[in-house]
Amino acid sequence: GAVVSQHPSRVICKSGTSVKIECRSLDFQATTMFWYRQFPKQSLMLMATSNEGSKATYEQGVEKDKFLINHASLTLSTLTVTSAHPEDSSFYICSAHDRGHQPQHFGDGTRLSIL
Amino acid sequence: AQSVTQLGSHVSVSEGALVLLRCNYSSSVPPYLFWYVQYPNQGLQLLLKYTTGATLVKGINGFEAEFKKSETSFHLTKPSAHMSDAAEYFCAVSAGGYQKVTFGTGTKLQVIP
Repeated sequence: GAVVSQHPSRVICKSGTSVKIECRSLDFQATTMFWYRQFPKQSLMLMATSNEGSKATYEQGVEKDKFLINHASLTLSTLTVTSAHPEDSSFYICSAHDRGHQPQHFGDGTRLSIL
Repeated sequence: AQSVTQLGSHVSVSEGALVLLRCNYSSSVPPYLFWYVQYPNQGLQLLLKYTTGATLVKGINGFEAEFKKSETSFHLTKPSAHMSDAAEYFCAVSAGGYQKVTFGTGTKLQVIP
C-alpha cells in the first residue's frame, strides 16, 4: 500500500542550528502534504499545508520564516527548522494525500531535541 | 470549520473489559472521521475510518466505531481490552478530498491486568 517515509526519525542538535526533515511519498504522487507538530502529551497540531510548486500555507501562529517548507517535487516535501531553540523540541509528523483519497498517509515522525 | 472533542484524557479499563472512547465532532460539511492509535515515541496508525455508507465501521485489532449524525458522535469501542491496547488514541475529522485533518486532544488508554 501507499507509504510515506519521513527522515530522520530522531535528531539531537545544539541550539542555533538548522534542521531539515524530509517527507517522501514512496509509491504515489502527492501534490499536497501536511506538517504537524506534537508537543509531549499533547495532540497533533497542523503547522502548514505544503503544495507542490507553490508556497506553503501556514496556520495561524506558525512562523513561516522559522519553519521553511519546500515542496519541489510530487514526492518530496521538506521542513527546515531554522535557528532551532529548545522550545522547538517536539515530534514533527508529515502526511500526504494520494490523489485526495482519504485517509491521508502519515510518516512515522521525527523526534527533534534541541539542547 | 471543523473540530473534535474527546471526552476523557485518560481512561482505565480492566483487561477483558469493554473499551469505550468518546468522540464528538463539529463540521460544516459531511465529515470524514478517523480513529488513530499512537504508541510511545511512534507515529500514527489508522484504526478505522468513516467516509460514507455504513455507519458502523470495523477496524483493526477488534475495534469498531459508529457514526451517529444526530449525536455528532463517533465513539470507539472494543468488546474486550487487551494489554497491548494500552496507547494514546486520537479521533480526527476532515472535510475530505485534499482538506486538512483536525485531531482531538487524545485519550490515553490504560489497561489494568
